[in-house]
Parts: sequence; structure tokens; C-alpha cells
Amino acid sequence: QSALTQPPSVSGSPGQSVTISCTGTSSDVGGYNRVSWYQQPPGTAPKLIIYEVNNRPSGVPDRFSGSKSGNTASLTISGLQAEDEADYYCSSYTSSSPVFGGGTKLTVL
Amino acid sequence: HVQLQQSGPGLVKPSQTLSLTCAISGDSVSSNSGVWNWIRQSPSRGLEWLGRTYYRSQWYHDYAVSVKSRIAINPDTSKNQFSLQLKYVSPEDTAVYFCARDLIGAAHFDYWGQGTLVTVSS
Repeated sequence: QSALTQPPSVSGSPGQSVTISCTGTSSDVGGYNRVSWYQQPPGTAPKLIIYEVNNRPSGVPDRFSGSKSGNTASLTISGLQAEDEADYYCSSYTSSSPVFGGGTKLTVL
Repeated sequence: HVQLQQSGPGLVKPSQTLSLTCAISGDSVSSNSGVWNWIRQSPSRGLEWLGRTYYRSQWYHDYAVSVKSRIAINPDTSKNQFSLQLKYVSPEDTAVYFCARDLIGAAHFDYWGQGTLVTVSS
């Protein structure tokens, strides 16, 4: 079992917005502003899309945004596009070792 | 632009040692900011961080508790790469293995290798 809890799947139609949650504890998500999000199409390596809760690396569209409240972080994708269909993972810093969520499959209807 | 290129066998026999290498271009394994990680992914375990090595005036190594007794991650400064060795493997170690850079040790992995499927089977 993964340390961080994500919904197994979410879906949305093109143009809509979806939000993926990532729930941890005060020892990980709640304790640090060091939550990151990754996008992983099938057969590829994860790609960093959000770091330190709400920062986007260069080249990541501003349709992707992150937030955090207490022990739960969220990734919101607005203006859904077909190319957004992928698995999404959250990760958090801890005092010992990084931890990951179990992943959420995003389906664009 | 940083690139990580993985190499190593895709099939390992039970009880033997899994060995993978990650060659770095566009950065240095000895940099004072980079942290060099191995992460694996399997259907049963999801993404699992295995360990890291980094240089801050001396070399440091951290390992996940789950594999601490049988893992080693070592830098090779002459080739600008780092390696993973996982001893006494079992079928439960079958996974896709990734190397990844964490720029400042904040557990955000900004560059990843292409991944290597390692199957543990006789």
C-alpha cells in the first residue's frame, strides 16, 4: 500500500476541470510544503508537473495547478485536453524518505 | 538540458544481484545541489523510492527501510554516473526501475531515466 492516498480514477470531458486529491499525514503532506505531482502516460517515465505544492516547471501549461490544505494536496487540471489522459502521482518529502501516492488514472471522455 | 541514460540487464535470477547504471549528461554526479535517486514501479507496490546518493563536501547515501539490508547506490565520478545494486533478489523485486534527479533534496524529481524493466525469474 502506498503512503499517500489518491482516488484510483477520475474522468472529465474536454474543456472541463478535474481535481485529484492526495491525502497523507502531518508527517508528510501536512508537515512540509514539498508536495510534487507527476504525469505518466503509458510506457513512459513520470514527468514532473508541479513541485513545492503549487509551482510549475518551465514548459508545463498553466492549466495545471496545485494546492494544499492540511494533510491533503490537490492537483487541478482545467480546460481538459485529450493529451492529458495519463496516470497522475503525488509525492511528498518526509524527514526520512520520499513517499508516493498510489496513482490516479485520468480518462478524458 | 539534463539527460539520464539507464543501462543494465532486464533479467536476473532469484538470489542473485540486480545491477543498473545511470549515466548523467548536462549535470554532474558530484554537484553540490543534485541528489541522485533510484525509484521502482510495479503494479503491486506502485512507485517506491529505493535510495539516493549525493555529494555535500562528502558522499552521503540514504536507503529505504524496506531494502536497506541489501541495497547499495554508488557514484562513479570518472564516468559521471551512479549505480544501483540490489542483492538477493526475489520475484517481488520485479519492477520497472528508474533513476531520477532531485535538484535540491526536496523530493521533487525533475529528470528521470527511461526506465528498465527488470524481471526476476529462473
